[in-house]
Amino acid sequence: AQSVTQPDIHITVSEGASLELRCNYSYGATPYLFWYVQSPGQGLQLLLKYFSGDTLVQGIKGFEAEFKRSQSSFNLRKPSVHWSDAAEYFCDVGARSNTGKLIFGQGTTLQVKP
Amino acid sequence: DAGITQSPRHKVTETGTPVTLRCHQTENHRYMYWYRQDPGHGLRLIHYSYGVKDTDKGEVSDGYSVSRSKTEDFLLTLESATSSQTSVYFCAISTSGGGNEQFFGPGTRLTVL
Repeated sequence: AQSVTQPDIHITVSEGASLELRCNYSYGATPYLFWYVQSPGQGLQLLLKYFSGDTLVQGIKGFEAEFKRSQSSFNLRKPSVHWSDAAEYFCDVGARSNTGKLIFGQGTTLQVKP
Repeated sequence: DAGITQSPRHKVTETGTPVTLRCHQTENHRYMYWYRQDPGHGLRLIHYSYGVKDTDKGEVSDGYSVSRSKTEDFLLTLESATSSQTSVYFCAISTSGGGNEQFFGPGTRLTVL
Protein backbone atom coordinates (compact mmCIF):
# COMPACT_ATOMS: atom_id res chain seq x y z
CA ALA A 1 0.00 0.00 0.00
CA GLN A 2 1.12 3.53 -0.67
CA SER A 3 2.13 5.62 2.29
CA VAL A 4 4.01 8.80 3.06
CA THR A 5 5.89 9.58 6.24
CA GLN A 6 7.05 13.01 7.32
CA PRO A 7 9.11 12.24 10.43
CA ASP A 8 9.18 15.80 11.75
CA ILE A 9 5.84 17.13 12.94
CA HIS A 10 7.25 20.51 13.92
CA ILE A 11 10.49 22.27 12.98
CA THR A 12 11.81 25.65 14.11
CA VAL A 13 14.60 27.41 12.24
CA SER A 14 16.08 30.89 12.44
CA GLU A 15 15.48 33.30 9.60
CA GLY A 16 18.33 33.03 7.12
CA ALA A 17 19.21 29.48 8.13
CA SER A 18 18.97 26.54 5.78
CA LEU A 19 16.03 24.16 5.85
CA GLU A 20 15.47 20.51 5.07
CA LEU A 21 12.11 18.80 5.50
CA ARG A 22 12.15 15.06 5.30
CA CYS A 23 9.77 12.83 3.38
CA ASN A 24 9.83 9.06 2.96
CA TYR A 25 7.38 7.11 0.88
CA SER A 26 6.33 3.55 0.29
CA TYR A 27 5.20 2.61 -3.18
CA GLY A 28 5.62 -0.36 -5.46
CA ALA A 29 7.10 1.60 -8.33
CA THR A 30 8.32 5.12 -8.95
CA PRO A 31 5.48 7.38 -7.95
CA TYR A 32 4.71 10.95 -8.75
CA LEU A 33 5.96 13.08 -5.85
CA PHE A 34 4.78 16.47 -4.72
CA TRP A 35 5.35 19.08 -2.07
CA TYR A 36 2.49 21.41 -1.16
CA VAL A 37 2.52 24.34 1.25
CA GLN A 38 -0.39 25.60 3.34
CA SER A 39 -0.25 29.01 4.94
CA PRO A 40 -2.40 29.53 8.03
CA GLY A 41 -6.10 29.57 7.17
CA GLN A 42 -5.41 28.99 3.49
CA GLY A 43 -5.73 26.25 0.94
CA LEU A 44 -2.77 24.34 -0.43
CA GLN A 45 -0.35 25.52 -3.08
CA LEU A 46 1.99 23.35 -5.11
CA LEU A 47 5.69 24.01 -4.45
CA LEU A 48 7.18 21.45 -6.81
CA LYS A 49 6.70 18.00 -8.29
CA TYR A 50 8.73 15.09 -9.58
CA PHE A 51 7.58 12.91 -12.44
CA SER A 52 10.75 11.55 -14.02
CA GLY A 53 14.16 12.61 -15.26
CA ASP A 54 16.40 14.89 -13.26
CA THR A 55 16.16 13.88 -9.62
CA LEU A 56 16.76 17.42 -8.37
CA VAL A 57 13.61 19.45 -8.85
CA GLN A 58 13.32 23.21 -8.57
CA GLY A 59 10.15 24.81 -7.33
CA ILE A 60 8.66 28.15 -6.47
CA LYS A 61 9.80 30.44 -3.67
CA GLY A 62 13.40 29.15 -3.85
CA PHE A 63 12.58 25.58 -2.79
CA GLU A 64 14.08 22.44 -4.26
CA ALA A 65 13.68 18.73 -3.60
CA GLU A 66 15.75 15.69 -4.43
CA PHE A 67 14.32 12.29 -5.30
CA LYS A 68 16.46 9.45 -4.00
CA ARG A 69 15.12 6.13 -5.18
CA SER A 70 17.49 4.06 -3.03
CA GLN A 71 16.26 5.79 0.11
CA SER A 72 12.62 6.20 -0.96
CA SER A 73 12.95 9.83 -0.03
CA PHE A 74 11.95 13.18 -1.45
CA ASN A 75 13.33 15.79 0.93
CA LEU A 76 12.56 19.48 0.53
CA ARG A 77 15.32 22.07 0.95
CA LYS A 78 15.80 25.80 0.98
CA PRO A 79 19.19 27.47 1.48
CA SER A 80 17.92 30.52 3.37
CA VAL A 81 14.56 30.63 5.10
CA HIS A 82 12.42 33.78 5.18
CA TRP A 83 9.86 34.59 7.86
CA SER A 84 7.12 34.25 5.22
CA ASP A 85 8.01 30.56 4.81
CA ALA A 86 6.33 29.76 8.12
CA ALA A 87 3.57 27.35 7.12
CA GLU A 88 2.64 23.70 7.02
CA TYR A 89 4.30 21.55 4.38
CA PHE A 90 2.89 18.36 2.92
CA CYS A 91 4.69 15.69 0.96
CA ASP A 92 2.45 13.65 -1.30
CA VAL A 93 2.61 10.52 -3.37
CA GLY A 94 0.54 10.20 -6.51
CA ALA A 95 -0.24 6.94 -8.20
CA ARG A 96 0.77 6.52 -11.81
CA SER A 97 -2.80 5.95 -12.81
CA ASN A 98 -5.61 7.97 -14.29
CA THR A 99 -7.28 8.62 -10.98
CA GLY A 100 -4.81 11.27 -9.90
CA LYS A 101 -5.33 10.27 -6.29
CA LEU A 102 -2.82 11.64 -3.84
CA ILE A 103 -1.68 10.20 -0.54
CA PHE A 104 -0.64 12.96 1.83
CA GLY A 105 1.93 12.85 4.57
CA GLN A 106 0.94 14.07 8.01
CA GLY A 107 2.52 17.45 7.42
CA THR A 108 5.43 19.37 8.94
CA THR A 109 4.79 22.72 10.58
CA LEU A 110 7.63 25.17 10.06
CA GLN A 111 8.18 27.98 12.52
CA VAL A 112 10.69 30.71 11.68
CA LYS A 113 12.43 32.61 14.46
CA PRO A 114 13.48 36.20 13.82
CA ASP B 1 -5.56 31.55 -8.76
CA ALA B 2 -7.63 28.67 -10.05
CA GLY B 3 -11.34 29.45 -9.98
CA ILE B 4 -12.50 27.25 -7.15
CA THR B 5 -15.03 28.28 -4.55
CA GLN B 6 -16.46 26.36 -1.66
CA SER B 7 -19.68 27.07 0.16
CA PRO B 8 -20.37 27.53 2.92
CA ARG B 9 -16.98 28.55 4.31
CA HIS B 10 -18.05 27.87 7.87
CA LYS B 11 -20.88 25.80 9.24
CA VAL B 12 -21.99 24.67 12.65
CA THR B 13 -24.59 21.94 12.80
CA GLU B 14 -25.98 19.38 15.20
CA THR B 15 -25.46 15.64 15.29
CA GLY B 16 -27.90 13.79 13.06
CA THR B 17 -28.64 16.61 10.65
CA PRO B 18 -27.86 16.38 6.93
CA VAL B 19 -25.17 18.69 5.55
CA THR B 20 -24.19 19.46 1.97
CA LEU B 21 -20.99 21.19 1.00
CA ARG B 22 -20.56 22.61 -2.46
CA CYS B 23 -17.48 22.94 -4.59
CA HIS B 24 -17.75 25.09 -7.70
CA GLN B 25 -15.08 25.53 -10.39
CA THR B 26 -14.84 27.77 -13.40
CA GLU B 27 -11.83 25.98 -14.94
CA ASN B 28 -13.69 23.16 -16.73
CA HIS B 29 -11.34 20.63 -15.13
CA ARG B 30 -12.40 17.03 -15.45
CA TYR B 31 -11.23 15.76 -12.06
CA MET B 32 -12.57 16.94 -8.71
CA TYR B 33 -11.71 15.73 -5.23
CA TRP B 34 -12.98 16.10 -1.68
CA TYR B 35 -10.52 15.87 1.21
CA ARG B 36 -10.80 16.31 4.93
CA GLN B 37 -7.98 17.76 7.00
CA ASP B 38 -7.48 16.78 10.62
CA PRO B 39 -4.51 17.46 12.91
CA GLY B 40 -1.92 14.71 12.65
CA HIS B 41 -3.49 13.18 9.55
CA GLY B 42 -2.69 15.58 6.77
CA LEU B 43 -5.36 15.48 4.08
CA ARG B 44 -7.32 12.33 3.43
CA LEU B 45 -9.31 11.67 0.31
CA ILE B 46 -13.05 11.20 0.82
CA HIS B 47 -14.38 10.87 -2.73
CA TYR B 48 -13.33 11.95 -6.17
CA SER B 49 -14.90 12.42 -9.57
CA TYR B 50 -13.38 11.82 -12.98
CA GLY B 51 -16.29 13.21 -14.97
CA VAL B 52 -19.95 14.10 -14.80
CA LYS B 53 -21.77 11.37 -12.89
CA ASP B 54 -18.50 9.42 -12.53
CA THR B 55 -17.37 9.18 -8.93
CA ASP B 56 -15.39 6.82 -6.75
CA LYS B 57 -14.48 6.35 -3.11
CA GLY B 58 -11.37 7.51 -1.37
CA GLU B 59 -9.80 6.22 1.82
CA VAL B 60 -12.32 7.74 4.27
CA SER B 61 -15.63 7.58 2.41
CA ASP B 62 -17.85 6.06 5.14
CA GLY B 63 -20.65 8.45 6.10
CA TYR B 64 -20.21 10.60 2.99
CA SER B 65 -21.79 10.66 -0.43
CA VAL B 66 -21.10 12.82 -3.47
CA SER B 67 -22.79 13.89 -6.65
CA ARG B 68 -21.63 15.57 -9.82
CA SER B 69 -24.40 16.46 -12.23
CA LYS B 70 -22.42 19.23 -13.94
CA THR B 71 -18.75 19.65 -14.72
CA GLU B 72 -18.48 22.70 -12.51
CA ASP B 73 -20.15 21.43 -9.33
CA PHE B 74 -19.15 18.65 -6.95
CA LEU B 75 -21.34 18.19 -3.88
CA LEU B 76 -20.35 16.43 -0.68
CA THR B 77 -23.19 15.25 1.55
CA LEU B 78 -23.12 14.07 5.11
CA GLU B 79 -26.43 12.24 5.39
CA SER B 80 -26.45 12.30 9.19
CA ALA B 81 -23.60 14.33 10.60
CA THR B 82 -21.59 12.99 13.54
CA SER B 83 -19.07 14.72 15.79
CA SER B 84 -16.28 12.69 14.18
CA GLN B 85 -16.99 14.56 10.94
CA THR B 86 -15.97 17.86 12.50
CA SER B 87 -13.13 18.86 10.22
CA VAL B 88 -11.90 21.22 7.54
CA TYR B 89 -13.00 20.08 4.10
CA PHE B 90 -11.06 20.93 0.96
CA CYS B 91 -12.10 20.58 -2.62
CA ALA B 92 -9.48 20.20 -5.34
CA ILE B 93 -9.55 20.09 -9.12
CA SER B 94 -7.21 18.77 -11.76
CA THR B 95 -7.12 18.72 -15.53
CA SER B 96 -6.49 14.99 -15.51
CA GLY B 97 -5.30 12.24 -13.27
CA GLY B 98 -1.89 10.67 -13.49
CA GLY B 99 0.05 13.17 -11.48
CA ASN B 100 -1.13 16.52 -12.66
CA GLU B 101 -1.21 19.36 -10.18
CA GLN B 102 -4.28 19.64 -8.01
CA PHE B 103 -5.61 23.12 -7.30
CA PHE B 104 -7.24 23.55 -3.92
CA GLY B 105 -10.19 25.59 -2.79
CA PRO B 106 -10.15 27.74 0.36
CA GLY B 107 -11.76 25.09 2.56
CA THR B 108 -14.93 24.72 4.62
CA ARG B 109 -14.73 24.50 8.39
CA LEU B 110 -17.50 22.21 9.65
CA THR B 111 -18.33 21.79 13.30
CA VAL B 112 -20.78 19.10 14.38
CA LEU B 113 -22.05 19.57 17.92
